[in-house]
Amino acid sequence: GAGVSQSPSNKVTEKGKDVELRCDPISGHTALYWYRQSLGQGLEFLIYFQGNSAPDKSGLPSDRFSAERTGGSVSTLTIQRTQQEDSAVYLCASRQGAARGTEAFFGQGTRLTVV
Amino acid sequence: AQSVTQLDSQVPVFEEAPVELRCNYSSSVSVYLFWYVQYPNQGLQLLLKYLSGSTLVESINGFEAEFNKSQTSFHLRKPSVHISDTAEYFCAVRSQFGNEKLTFGTGTRLTIIP
Repeated sequence: GAGVSQSPSNKVTEKGKDVELRCDPISGHTALYWYRQSLGQGLEFLIYFQGNSAPDKSGLPSDRFSAERTGGSVSTLTIQRTQQEDSAVYLCASRQGAARGTEAFFGQGTRLTVV
Repeated sequence: AQSVTQLDSQVPVFEEAPVELRCNYSSSVSVYLFWYVQYPNQGLQLLLKYLSGSTLVESINGFEAEFNKSQTSFHLRKPSVHISDTAEYFCAVRSQFGNEKLTFGTGTRLTIIP
């Protein structure tokens, strides 16, 4: 597609339920990032993929969070047993990756609300 | 590891006045520097970036930023702001070697006063 696509755009879930957030990166982009944006907290790095591998998953806040990427394209961020503090906007970005100076393009985000 | 500091969380400016949004970074290796903008209810967009060469970089909508290696700064400036510049601005860095993570500051909310 023309840009990074994330779905759903909004998700309301009950505390304790699992959620899956999807990211479709720009075609051909090998690098993919997940960030979390909470009110007043700025952008918090979660995980970085290069192809299907995740060389940096240092930002995942707990073992309830996991992510995978298949076919070097679509990525899914899964949050198990959601808590209210998980409420945030989850942003995905992709980057061409071939040259280190290339910019990252962001999707519109998924707004997750845990009630 | 890198870190980015944006000391001003909010900056109110009168329309047509100049503005400077401050960004300082810390890194043990050389970095690429970026400014992203997030307009109300929209996603993040790249405003400008510094990779190498001239330390002054410009965007198409009148913003400019200057890389100062000795002061580890990458402040964003505009000589005359417009209502449409109301947004949140994020400074970010990425190592030129090794770690691919893009590290962001906490953002500066620019509010233009008519």
